[in-house]
Amino acid sequence: ETTLTQSPALVSAAPGDKVIISCRASEDVDDDVNWYQRKPGEAAISIIRDSKILVKGISPRFSGSGYGTDFTLTINNVESEDAAYYFCLQHDSFPHTFGQGTKLEIK
Amino acid sequence: QVQLVQSGAEVRKPGASVKLSCKGSGFTFSESIIHWMRQAPGQRLEWMGRINAASGNVGYSQRFQGRVTLSTDTSASIAYVEVSGLRSEDTAVYYCARGNYLSAWGKGTSVTVSS
Repeated sequence: ETTLTQSPALVSAAPGDKVIISCRASEDVDDDVNWYQRKPGEAAISIIRDSKILVKGISPRFSGSGYGTDFTLTINNVESEDAAYYFCLQHDSFPHTFGQGTKLEIK
Repeated sequence: QVQLVQSGAEVRKPGASVKLSCKGSGFTFSESIIHWMRQAPGQRLEWMGRINAASGNVGYSQRFQGRVTLSTDTSASIAYVEVSGLRSEDTAVYYCARGNYLSAWGKGTSVTVSS
């Protein structure tokens, strides 16, 4: 089973800041990593699929990169509406596995 | 738009079973793959399994094999997950999601297992 190590667990950012969230896989998962955003009481939404493809309708302030074992989600020019829980998923192999998640707080 | 609406919160005693539902709309449910995950308090999400609504083919995480049953009612566009032999460690929020990319998620169903 592929383990995803996501960091940091908590990040606090001011509006306008740049935030980088890391997701490291215990084995090669090609580019089969997705990123999601979840807000309290709401369904999670897909923001990046296959490492770097921005999901339609998602702000271009979000971007993803990486291949193999190291992946990052970058949020440029953070806004208050970005406050949420973010998590990565690998769908290269079964069972699919998730990172521990990152809570983004806005100062 | 694509939507997955999950059933309401459940409370069960240890040893009991629970069956949760996930109703899809805004897409062709009968041609979809539905995944089920859960997240226990303070823990990461766990993938439980997936079902292909078109073929009925089911795949489970080994961790849940034998205790979890996935099913669908394609006429009603509903997917189900049933967990048997509940124990306190099964207390979690259970989620469904659609497609190979898990592109759409439900809001989750809280399950509490307590004597």
